Amino acid sequence: EVQLQESGPGLVKPSQSLSLTCSVTGYSITSNYWGWIRKFPGNKMEWMGYISYSGSTSYNPSLKSRISITRDTSKNQFFLQLNSVTTEDTATYYCARTGRRPLYFDYWGQGVMVTVSS
Amino acid sequence: EIVLTQSPTTMAASPGEKVTLTCRASSSVSYMYWYQQKSGTSPKLWIYDTSKLASGVPNRFSGSGSGTSYSLTISSMETEDTATYYCQQGRSYPFTFGSGTKLEIK
Repeated sequence: EVQLQESGPGLVKPSQSLSLTCSVTGYSITSNYWGWIRKFPGNKMEWMGYISYSGSTSYNPSLKSRISITRDTSKNQFFLQLNSVTTEDTATYYCARTGRRPLYFDYWGQGVMVTVSS
Repeated sequence: EIVLTQSPTTMAASPGEKVTLTCRASSSVSYMYWYQQKSGTSPKLWIYDTSKLASGVPNRFSGSGSGTSYSLTISSMETEDTATYYCQQGRSYPFTFGSGTKLEIK
């Protein structure tokens, strides 16, 4: 069974970087696409980006140059780094898998809540 | 960016009642995807490719639509269907989600 698990700090200071790990079991990240989605207080959901089976990436333009998604295939993990965070980045962050084409998300992690506050 | 508008924002239905949730896209999309999210849990894929039910989804659920107008229908509301439902498009980047419809039982 495919399982995803996010981990990382729950509190980040403004202007610092947010770093999260998604650990995947039951499926290789060298197949399919692997993404990050966040849900803000108030329920708005935002696709942040993904990393493909080959390591290529695609990002939401709204995040401009602040975002980076990388991976470690030896550990079957992928990572999110979001730089220069503000209080508006406070959200629950989910990692998720897409199908063989990056159209929708069929497996999700349980989510990790990240608060940006001094 | 394709904006998805869901309606209603919130609704309550009685057990056995037929329920229809709507998602309208600002531009035409080929397919629509739906997720169910219950309080304190992560979203679950519910309907994909507009009308295909994800694994384990009861057949009282159905999806339909084309172009810019899509819907999720529950033929007979049950207590366990209480959740927030989100639509999502994968036609163009960035992928976008609707703002959700919170469905409650009367």
